[in-house]
Amino acid sequence: AQSVTQLDSHVSVSEGTPVLLRCNYSSSYSPSLFWYVQHPNKGLQLLLKYTSAATLVKGINGFEAEFKKSETSFHLTKPSAHMSDAAEYFCVVSHFSGGYNKLIFGAGTRLAVHP
Amino acid sequence: DSGVTQTPKHLITATGQRVTLRCSPRSGDLSVYWYQQSLDQGLQFLIQYYNGEERAKGNILERFSAQQFPDLHSELNLSSLELGDSALYFCASSALTEGGLLLGNEQFFGPGTRLTVL
Repeated sequence: AQSVTQLDSHVSVSEGTPVLLRCNYSSSYSPSLFWYVQHPNKGLQLLLKYTSAATLVKGINGFEAEFKKSETSFHLTKPSAHMSDAAEYFCVVSHFSGGYNKLIFGAGTRLAVHP
Repeated sequence: DSGVTQTPKHLITATGQRVTLRCSPRSGDLSVYWYQQSLDQGLQFLIQYYNGEERAKGNILERFSAQQFPDLHSELNLSSLELGDSALYFCASSALTEGGLLLGNEQFFGPGTRLTVL
């Protein structure tokens, strides 16, 4: 069975400092992994995805994530936080079988960025 | 903009009432998913339709139902509404061909409908 754990419910950083949002997954298969971002009162936007190609995945807005099978982790990073990065971030594992594309969401990490 | 549209944006209604939420998937996407997001439950998968047929069910209450029409838009019907049904309801779509060939299994989300039950 697939599951995903976001290790921090809240992360607070200063503008211009690095961001690290941690995610661990559990999957019986080779997983597809995603990070989605949700800004206040907005829908979910895909930041990046991993689908068994390169283990370092680059996404939009300067974010990237590294798939580490040995650690079952898919942490999201950004070298320098911007005020506009303040949002909720969801780590997601996907399993596709029989025409059913099931996404399992983590509980979310709320990122606050301070001036 | 994901290309998925949802109407209405906000809905305020009373307990016991029935509402219909509408979703239009991205052009070419055959698969539609409905999710509920509430403060206490987080993001929960409700139901999936593929090319007009129900494909998978998640934590959907019996008071809730959905359908997908020939033009691929979908509607989520919520009846006998309770205070606890107040939430954000998201629709998502993904690219699956008629043969089930997976083009990319990420889902693209609409902006959501915020339902408030008073």
